[in-house]
Amino acid sequence: VQLLESGGGLVQPGGSLRLSCAASGFSFSNYAMGWVRQAPGKGLEWVSDISGSGANTYYADSVKGRFTISRDNSKNTLYLQMNSLRVEDTAIYYCTREVASTAYGHFECWGQGTLVTVSA
Amino acid sequence: DVVMTQSPLSLPVTLGQPASISCRSSQSLVYSDGNTYLHWFQQRPGQSPRRLIYKVSNRDSGVPDRFSGSGSGTDFTLKISRVEAEDVAVYYCMQGSQWPLTFGQGTRLEIK
Repeated sequence: VQLLESGGGLVQPGGSLRLSCAASGFSFSNYAMGWVRQAPGKGLEWVSDISGSGANTYYADSVKGRFTISRDNSKNTLYLQMNSLRVEDTAIYYCTREVASTAYGHFECWGQGTLVTVSA
Repeated sequence: DVVMTQSPLSLPVTLGQPASISCRSSQSLVYSDGNTYLHWFQQRPGQSPRRLIYKVSNRDSGVPDRFSGSGSGTDFTLKISRVEAEDVAVYYCMQGSQWPLTFGQGTRLEIK
């Protein structure tokens, strides 16, 4: 199992960024996927989850209405579209794999993370 | 939201000695299917988190048997029977029984 995030970088407040997570080593569409973030020097915070088919999505209140999780099962890739970014969104964003198509909150596997910095 | 409270937040331990971390939830973590979705994660310095224990007491593949998890309802514990140098890390409990998914604040284990 390999999860490789990309797309992080420096963005101004109010800006947008799209993160990607390329998955390999397993049957991607059979697993729900998620994003967890970690602000510098802080703990872990769940951000969003999506079912294996992509039909069901879930968000933390802190990002609801601003972030959109999606997936392309033909490309084995998970996405996180982040709009209206705030300074407090600055964090390492980790891609995680769940244990089944509609099982959530297990975070069985983790990527190496991609850093998003929101600053003027 | 379910609040996860860990203690202690800092844990100095002598090599070879046992260590114990407590995690308490503000609500019962027993799900409607009868399972308790309480998991433990380890994050070594400079690394991504790694799941150690799932559903209270099940060790993930490759996790040494000196790690064990126990508890029920709202009260859970992670124990290390004999701490080794490679166990220096921050440990997080996490509940997957209710939305939103929530983590504890983390417990930093260091060698005394």
